[in-house]
Amino acid sequence: DAGVTQSPTHLIKTRGQQVTLRCSPKSGHDTVSWYQQALGQGPQFIFQYYEEEERQRGNFPDRFSGHQFPNYSSELNVNALLLGDSALYLCASSALAGQETQYFGPGTRLLVL
Amino acid sequence: GNSVTQMEGPVTLSEEAFLTINCTYTATGYPSLFWYVQYPGEGLQLLLKATKADDKGSNKGFEATYRKETTSFHLEKGSVQVSDSAVYFCALPFMNTGFQKLVFGTGTRLLVSP
Repeated sequence: DAGVTQSPTHLIKTRGQQVTLRCSPKSGHDTVSWYQQALGQGPQFIFQYYEEEERQRGNFPDRFSGHQFPNYSSELNVNALLLGDSALYLCASSALAGQETQYFGPGTRLLVL
Repeated sequence: GNSVTQMEGPVTLSEEAFLTINCTYTATGYPSLFWYVQYPGEGLQLLLKATKADDKGSNKGFEATYRKETTSFHLEKGSVQVSDSAVYFCALPFMNTGFQKLVFGTGTRLLVSP
């Protein structure tokens, strides 16, 4: 049984560019959450998707947007990249509309130059 | 809102030493509590969890007991190995509009030397 998968594993962008990160949830999971982990910090909640809608959002600007597809996979988009967006982006999936334990993918490491 | 406080690291131990990483929480009600582990260059892995007061979660020799009296969920292991070197995160869910997000501590880095 495949766990949570994310792509790409690493990404380098320059300021002002746009980026799209992808996540496939664990089989049987219907809810996807995204977290940003800056170096040396704990993960910070960005937003969460269930039934293709954003259900809750953390304290992140509108430059961060997302999408969930009918097969439950999800994308995270970041526009107008800033140096401070450099971080590890983690996707987590869970079952039963997010009521169950969250399982994380390996993350995408984004470097903005 | 819900929050988690972890002891600062790094924690440096020799192999076979006893490990304790402290975690205390502030929460409404009695949410589940989690420990996640992050090995170098990797994502987060669920290490163990406890779903109600006095529950003990355990996995891979690690244990943590949910103590509502002291609002704590300290992580312990009787004999650490070099392979346990990682960053450990205590976390709890925060419910909003019927959905839950995870709130994490700042993480505690464990370094185990041979």
